[in-house]
Amino acid sequence: GAVVSQHPSWVICKSGTSVKIECRSLDFQATTMFWYRQFPKQSLMLMATSNEGSKATYEQGVEKDKFLINHASLTLSTLTVTSAHPEDSSFYICSARDDVTFPYEQYFGPGTRLTVT
Amino acid sequence: AQSVTQPDIHITVSEGASLELRCNYSYGATPYLFWYVQSPGQGLQLLLKYFSGDTLVQGIKGFEAEFKRSQSSFNLRKPSVHWSDAAEYFCAVGAGLTGGYNKLIFGAGTRLAVHP
Repeated sequence: GAVVSQHPSWVICKSGTSVKIECRSLDFQATTMFWYRQFPKQSLMLMATSNEGSKATYEQGVEKDKFLINHASLTLSTLTVTSAHPEDSSFYICSARDDVTFPYEQYFGPGTRLTVT
Repeated sequence: AQSVTQPDIHITVSEGASLELRCNYSYGATPYLFWYVQSPGQGLQLLLKYFSGDTLVQGIKGFEAEFKRSQSSFNLRKPSVHWSDAAEYFCAVGAGLTGGYNKLIFGAGTRLAVHP
């Protein structure tokens, strides 16, 4: 079945530094990947849609300069949290869309827990 | 605008009892509907999905859900709950793409506790 991985699974960084999170589709190609954010005991909120070879599409209210998304290949999208602050601490989950098989299902990664100290 | 409502934030059931988690959606076209389960600190696991056809959908772990267009509902059911079912459950609707879906819009989630 379709498998999506994320790396790292958890990360702790100091305030003001940047951290990169990788999302990989392991057994299928994904021209489209999605990044979600989940605060404790809350639902998932879509942050942005990552498109291979082009710019990401950000949801309203998400700072594109703070959350940099790069989708350089058909199996890899990265989310970089720049100049991280404690309020950026959250659970980040990616999904990858199977663009070959209708209805183009999304498959989720296991998530990355970011803690900013 | 598309939306998903899960009216019950928290539900507690006894082990062996039946379970129904409610989900209502708002979407103008034929919806793609999903139920996911999330254990603490973990990612999402797909329980079941509805795209078309039979409105009663069977999923993993003994779960089923019924799509009722007239009520804009997609409630999740299980006849006998196990202690391992304690988790957070999310209903979601896929939207934004003709003939498929692009975005997933999630409900707020229902936290299930199971008493022994």
